[in-house]
Amino acid sequence: ILNVEQSPQSLHVQEGDSTNFTCSFPSSNFYALHWYRWETAKSPEALFVMTLNGDEKKKGRISATLNTKEGYSYLYIKGSQPEDSATYLCASLNDYKLSFGAGTTVTVRA
Amino acid sequence: GAGVSQSPSNKVTEKGKDVELRCDPISGHTALYWYRQSLGQGLEFLIYFQGNSAPDKSGLPSDRFSAERTGGSVSTLTIQRTQQEDSAVYLCASSASGGRGETQYFGPGTRLLVL
Repeated sequence: ILNVEQSPQSLHVQEGDSTNFTCSFPSSNFYALHWYRWETAKSPEALFVMTLNGDEKKKGRISATLNTKEGYSYLYIKGSQPEDSATYLCASLNDYKLSFGAGTTVTVRA
Repeated sequence: GAGVSQSPSNKVTEKGKDVELRCDPISGHTALYWYRQSLGQGLEFLIYFQGNSAPDKSGLPSDRFSAERTGGSVSTLTIQRTQQEDSAVYLCASSASGGRGETQYFGPGTRLLVL
């Protein structure tokens, strides 16, 4: 089990504003870093799988960066919309199993 | 195609009863995983299947928990003599072959409440 931490635990964003939050993970024996979006009563939705240091991925208004040497990843939401309200989970891959952080819960206020 | 499905979506049971949770992975996916989220906790790994074999059962919290997978497809997680601390959301995921760069696709989960 890997120690994966996310901060902040929660945040409130005004509609239209941009935001970002952090995931930190052990940098030794790194395999891959996963980001998911989880809305209540729904399946966690896969956002990104990142494996290379310096990787940057984008999906619509959401993007993520990866620094495997120092063990952190940032997730960015540009121009937040109410439908972005969810818990965002990061997970570090250890062999085949994911070790999850506790998540960052984002609430977008209209 | 269809995603990962789980049943039941909700289960309420009495302490001491046995429960079975079912997972239907994405067709053709050989790797299957069970995770759970207890109240106030993050998602934690329970067990990993590759085909019908479970090379890693390290996350099962006690011997009351068991899981099987048949035909390289459907998996059942069984909890015997349920306790209140078993109350959690149980999530199943599958991936194509268990490779490092693969996405694990999750089902909607089974919300288990033990009274």
